[in-house]
Amino acid sequence: EIVLTQSPGTLSLSPGERATLSCRASQSVSSTYLAWYQQKPGQAPRLLIYGASRRATGIPDRFSGSESGTDFTLTISRLEPEDFAVYYCQQYGASPATFGQGTKVEIK
Amino acid sequence: QVQLVQSGGEVKKPGSSVKVSCKASGGTFSSSAIGWVRQAPGHGLEWMGGIIPVFGPANYAQKFQGRLTITVDKSTSTAYMELTSLTSDDTAVYYCARILRAFDIWGQGTMVTVSS
Repeated sequence: EIVLTQSPGTLSLSPGERATLSCRASQSVSSTYLAWYQQKPGQAPRLLIYGASRRATGIPDRFSGSESGTDFTLTISRLEPEDFAVYYCQQYGASPATFGQGTKVEIK
Repeated sequence: QVQLVQSGGEVKKPGSSVKVSCKASGGTFSSSAIGWVRQAPGHGLEWMGGIIPVFGPANYAQKFQGRLTITVDKSTSTAYMELTSLTSDDTAVYYCARILRAFDIWGQGTMVTVSS
């Protein structure tokens, strides 16, 4: 099973700041099958990024994804009030699909 | 635009089974996969299994082998997730999701509470 380790666990930032979230895989992951999701309390997850760097339909361009080997990064260039949430990375190219444990982006 | 509408919350006794439905409106499952993910209270997301209707058999996470069954009724565009031998550890919100470009469309979630 591929383990995804997200860091940090919590990120305390102010609106307008830049957020950098990390996701490290325990073994090689095809970038084609690496995704990022946003989840707010009481809501279903929402797809942000697929294929490591492709924005899903309707996702603002302040969200971007990148990869370097087994390290994947989600960047939010300037935080908007609605961006404070929990973010999960996921790989679905190898069975079982796995999620990271999540990074909470909270208002400082 | 496809939406996934799940059945309502359930309260179950330990040892019993639960079956959650996930109906596609505004489209069908015919060419995409459906996955099931659960989230225990205060915890993260956990993949359970999925199915590509045109190919038939479902794929299950090892943890759920033997007590999880995922099926699809193509005539009604409805997917089902049945989990047996429930324990309190199965208390969670259960989500279905379309797998096309990653898990791109999600149901609203179904709360399953296992309690004596």
